[in-house]
Amino acid sequence: DAKTTQPTSMDCAEGRAANLPCNHSTISGNEYVYWYRQIHSQGPQYIIHGLKNNETNEMASLIITEDRKSSTLILPHATLRDTAVYYCIVRLRLPGGSQGNLIFGKGTKLSVKP
Amino acid sequence: DAMVIQNPRYQVTQFGKPVTLSCSQTLNHNVMYWYQQKSSQAPKLLFHYYDKDFNNEADTPDNFQSRRPNTSFCFLDIRSPGLGDAAMYLCATSRTTGTSASTDTQYFGPGTRLTVL
Repeated sequence: DAKTTQPTSMDCAEGRAANLPCNHSTISGNEYVYWYRQIHSQGPQYIIHGLKNNETNEMASLIITEDRKSSTLILPHATLRDTAVYYCIVRLRLPGGSQGNLIFGKGTKLSVKP
Repeated sequence: DAMVIQNPRYQVTQFGKPVTLSCSQTLNHNVMYWYQQKSSQAPKLLFHYYDKDFNNEADTPDNFQSRRPNTSFCFLDIRSPGLGDAAMYLCATSRTTGTSASTDTQYFGPGTRLTVL
């Protein structure tokens, strides 16, 4: 079962920051937080992941709380093309460094509006 | 561009008629995955190949099989499709080395939408 809780849906105005929360209160020390998104009728797309430090890339920023029980994905300037279902996934780090399977939860449907 | 390619994008089959979906990749990744995604649901892992080793999920029905003849190609075979097998089937790949250098990021194809009549 998915180990994360996300709001079912969110709206965001175009050009504004979209902040998508995720609760993972039972996360263990060897589990990563991953974010994927799925635009309608396409395959999921990797966004970002982190273990305990905040991360930033060209798509988004990931803020993980100090206790690691929750995180927030930030899209700094949302566009209409960012409308998608966003999945927050907790993923096990296995011995040797490889990682466990992706187990998708229900995700958050983000609607970016003009 | 390096990609995960799935053909066809749309497949229609008849109840009980075997069907094969294909996936190819130009990323030279060693792991290939098959997911099933039913309407309004999240993707669900069916099985994956780690190099040549097949790894089946415990709850994947026997009706679903897979073949990986080489690094680049992987097939999903549904032996006797039922109406409940209508779904989007997603292929994904990753480079997994079993070391700390492994990224394990999964890259997905666009999916094949299967309709069962």
